[in-house]
Amino acid sequence: DIVLTQSPGTLSLSPGERATLSCRASQSVTNNYLAWYQQKPGQAPRLLIYGASSRATGIPDRFSGSGSGTDFTLTISRLEPEDFVVYYCQQYGSSPLYTFGQGTKLEIK
Amino acid sequence: QVQLQQSGPGLVKFSQTLSLTCAISGDSVSSKSATWNWIRQSPSRGLEWLGRTYYRSKWYNDYAVSVKSRITINPDTSNNQFSLQLNSVTPEDTAVYYCARASSFGSGYYFDYWGQGILVTVSS
Repeated sequence: DIVLTQSPGTLSLSPGERATLSCRASQSVTNNYLAWYQQKPGQAPRLLIYGASSRATGIPDRFSGSGSGTDFTLTISRLEPEDFVVYYCQQYGSSPLYTFGQGTKLEIK
Repeated sequence: QVQLQQSGPGLVKFSQTLSLTCAISGDSVSSKSATWNWIRQSPSRGLEWLGRTYYRSKWYNDYAVSVKSRITINPDTSNNQFSLQLNSVTPEDTAVYYCARASSFGSGYYFDYWGQGILVTVSS
């Protein structure tokens, strides 16, 4: 089974700074079917990035995704106060069909 | 605008059956371009995909191996909704349960609309 490992577990930064979140897969992700989600407290996750690097509808361009194979990155170029929440990566297509990472919490320094 | 509205009990007794429903508006459970999924989230297991149902000239289901012996997901075309049944629950099944639509972006499927989530607690 494919396992996604996110790092760091918690990232402490200040508004205006750049955030780099990592997602590493235990085996190559099928066709780079890798997504990133943002989850605010008490809410369902929201799709940010799909296909490793494509932004979902309505997502600000300060969010970008990159990577391929087993190593993927979510970058938030200039942090806004509302960005300090939890982020998950997710793969599609391997066994099991969908797997999520354990999450990275972005906190205000 | 697609909306998913979940309903069902928040408390289920040990060894009983967990049953939830997800009502769809703004799309059809019979859509040939979407799949309809159940996902749960708990502190111990994180986000866990449970299974899906979808229509491509006939109905298909896929289930996670971890729950395959206990789960059923059914479409209800008359009411444009789909349901989750999870049998023989234990406290390990305590979680927030979400329904979600997965759409094809390129050729991968990703969760673009989610229900509001229901916390289901299994009491012993």
